[in-house]
Amino acid sequence: DAGITQSPRHKVTETGTPVTLRCHQTENHRYMYWYRQDPGHGLRLIHYSYGVKDTDKGEVSDGYSVSRSKTEDFLLTLESATSSQTSVYFCAISGSGLRDTEAFFGQGTRLTVV
Amino acid sequence: LAKTTQPISMDSYEGQEVNITCSHNNIATNDYITWYQQFPSQGPRFIIQGYKTKVTNEVASLFIPADRKSSTLSLPRVSLSDTAVYYCLVGDDNNAGNMLTFGGGTRLMVKP
Repeated sequence: DAGITQSPRHKVTETGTPVTLRCHQTENHRYMYWYRQDPGHGLRLIHYSYGVKDTDKGEVSDGYSVSRSKTEDFLLTLESATSSQTSVYFCAISGSGLRDTEAFFGQGTRLTVV
Repeated sequence: LAKTTQPISMDSYEGQEVNITCSHNNIATNDYITWYQQFPSQGPRFIIQGYKTKVTNEVASLFIPADRKSSTLSLPRVSLSDTAVYYCLVGDDNNAGNMLTFGGGTRLMVKP
């Protein structure tokens, strides 16, 4: 399995508190992604990164920010968590190049905002 | 980015061949077609990728017609363990980065 780990795996937090999820890779892949998945829905892209300090918004970026200060770590921050952000969050990594769209996913972080 | 359309769900029985078709009418010249499989409580897993014609690996086959506006994932002789959600993606490495956008997927239920 690709070297990708998410932490924490589970978290319960209160509305209005800041939360940071971490994605760590040991594959030296260029691209990293954060998705959320809600019951009955597919994966929705929050933010992604195409290099150190290079990030861009996905389809559901409101209320989320990201940072990538080094290749191996991609952080997702909820500045002020809301109940609508209760979800399972997946991190993914993929290599570079036109043909390389195979992505590897982490095990997910289940976040509950109460 | 090209958008994809897949059936929401499909049912099959053990031992049958399953074909899941994905429509991607606006696929761009440089786009590749990739399929992922997701089991409950797990992240998606890469199954197969292709550009045109037919690709086969130990898990599945991918059929892509000449116009590339659709693709079909073929799972030979499915088993109960193939029950999962299957996602079709199209995309490439563009100037803004390599976005991977998932659609709703197809929920495959394999019955005994």
